[in-house]
Amino acid sequence: AQSVSQHNHHVILSEAASLELGCNYSYGGTVNLFWYVQYPGQHLQLLLKYFSGDPLVKGIKGFEAEFIKSKFSFNLRKPSVQWSDTAEYFCAVLSSNTGKLIFGQGTTLQVKP
Amino acid sequence: GAGVSQSPRYKVAKRGQDVALRCDPISGHVSLFWYQQALGQGPEFLTYFQNEAQLDKSGLPSDRFFAERPEGSVSTLKIQRTQQEDSAVYLCASSPRGQGAYEQYFGPGTRLTVT
Repeated sequence: AQSVSQHNHHVILSEAASLELGCNYSYGGTVNLFWYVQYPGQHLQLLLKYFSGDPLVKGIKGFEAEFIKSKFSFNLRKPSVQWSDTAEYFCAVLSSNTGKLIFGQGTTLQVKP
Repeated sequence: GAGVSQSPRYKVAKRGQDVALRCDPISGHVSLFWYQQALGQGPEFLTYFQNEAQLDKSGLPSDRFFAERPEGSVSTLKIQRTQQEDSAVYLCASSPRGQGAYEQYFGPGTRLTVT
């Protein structure tokens, strides 16, 4: 069965610290991967996506993620976080059979000013 | 432009009541998805429409859950005889094309609390 695992459930960082959130997936077909973010009181928004090509993808607000096929991973990174990055982050894989998204359970990021 | 909208934003129901949750997708979007998000969890797929056709309802947890999209635009998720375990945020998402590698655009969700 397809699944997504996010290892860090709650991360607390100080401003300017570097961020890496882990995401591993289990899926045997063509892989399309996403990171979504949910800021407090707001709806899910797309941070970045990988469909094909360059495995290092850049998204909004300085975020990037690297698709490593051999490790079944798609970790999210940001070199220097800001207080405004406080949010919940979700990794997801697209099921090519039906188009549905399979989400990880999310990581809550708290950035202290 | 207008995004995905959902109504109501909050719904409190007594156990046993029926509820109806509405989703207005982005105009012209072919695909529409419903997800259920329990507290502290990621969204879980419920059902998928391509235009008016319900192509996948494998995620609906019981026959108390029913979804429709009769004209290929607005969709309604109905829950009959609500139970406490139905308490969750119900998310709607739309996508411009049919099955394929496309971004899904999410609405704000409806938070359902069953007392």
